[in-house]
Amino acid sequence: DQQVKQNSPSLSVQEGRISILNCDYTNSMFDYFLWYKKYPAEGPTFLISISSIKDKNEDGRFTVFLNKSAKHLSLHIVPSQPGDSAVYFCAAPTTSGTYKYIFGTGTRLKVLA
Amino acid sequence: DSGVTQTPKHLITATGQRVTLRCSPRSGDLSVYWYQQSLDQGLQFLIQYYNGEERAKGNILERFSAQQFPDLHSELNLSSLELGDSALYFCASSPGLAGDTQYFGPGTRLTVL
Repeated sequence: DQQVKQNSPSLSVQEGRISILNCDYTNSMFDYFLWYKKYPAEGPTFLISISSIKDKNEDGRFTVFLNKSAKHLSLHIVPSQPGDSAVYFCAAPTTSGTYKYIFGTGTRLKVLA
Repeated sequence: DSGVTQTPKHLITATGQRVTLRCSPRSGDLSVYWYQQSLDQGLQFLIQYYNGEERAKGNILERFSAQQFPDLHSELNLSSLELGDSALYFCASSPGLAGDTQYFGPGTRLTVL
């Protein structure tokens, strides 16, 4: 079954620098990965996705990279801004289909002004 | 604002009690998902309903049940509550069956004393 791991519970980055958030998954059969961002007292919001037919997807300051052989995703934020301070979750589809997504435990990013 | 509403925002109750959490999806969305987020845990998928029918089940305890009504709102019922059930409960909705674009509500914080 699919497992999703975000091994860094927290990350602090200086404003203007690059933030790199990592995510590992175990089952590579399925094809669509997601990143969500969560501010305190709010629900998660969709940030960016990547299909396994791509190695990279870019949306403004946010870029997600997919390394299929390593079963690894990374989210790059450049340049980081204080408003990016949030918890970031990656999600991967489960082995039972795309109806369910398994979320990682999240990485809390703090961007220091 | 995602368009998904959840009530109540906060709930404090005692062990052994039963509570009902309510979710109204975005207008037009047919799928509703329920997630649990405990301290230092990721978002644990509980259950998905699509147009009134249960479509996918995750790590939902037998003490928990859910339903989706004809007007598409959903309720999550938690019974025989235990201290470990204290968590944030999120509801999300999506237009169709696929879970790749989910809109999350602000969550209900349940505290079991």
